[in-house]
Amino acid sequence: NAGVTQTPKFQVLKTGQSMTLQCAQDMNHNSMYWYRQDPGMGLRLIYYSASEGTTDKGEVPNGYNVSRLNKREFSLRLESAAPSQTSVYFCASIRWGRRNEQFFGPGTRLTVL
Amino acid sequence: DAKTTQPPSMDCAEGRAANLPCNHSTISGNEYVYWYRQIHSQGPQYIIHGLKNNETNEMASLIITEDRKSSTLILPHATLRDTAVYYCIVSRPFGNEKLTFGTGTRLTIIP
Repeated sequence: NAGVTQTPKFQVLKTGQSMTLQCAQDMNHNSMYWYRQDPGMGLRLIYYSASEGTTDKGEVPNGYNVSRLNKREFSLRLESAAPSQTSVYFCASIRWGRRNEQFFGPGTRLTVL
Repeated sequence: DAKTTQPPSMDCAEGRAANLPCNHSTISGNEYVYWYRQIHSQGPQYIIHGLKNNETNEMASLIITEDRKSSTLILPHATLRDTAVYYCIVSRPFGNEKLTFGTGTRLTIIP
């Protein structure tokens, strides 16, 4: 199993540009999450999807949109990037059950100039 | 979700037990305590979780007080590779839960 994969690993954007961060998991997990982590800070939840077909806002959803394309894939879109969105973005998934372990991807390092 | 309070940083000598405290005084009856760690800039990694009983696995032990208002993560024989940021989270084990990571405790293992 590849676990949780994210693409791209690095990205530089200019202010106003748009892009989509891709996330996929091959563990048949129901719930998926997008977090951002600013330097020296903890993770903040942007959006999450409790199950296929549902999405909900997290702590910092402004400026982002998400799509739960199917059970495997959960994408995060920046429609008009701003320097304040410079961050490391982590995708995670979890299959609720006995262990309730959340698995994280390697992250996407985004810089907006 | 209940909030957690952790010290921002701690040091521990290599080979000694590292004890990381967490306060969660507003935890509700069906909320679990989870611990994750983040090594350098990698994605966080699950360590252990518990409801009210003490738990142990291959990585660590989790001690939860009887009133469940606080807990301690114990790394029994800390190594340099345990240097990381440790997050204590409380949450219900349901798919529609929001998980709040906070800023965690930066543990430094000293040779």
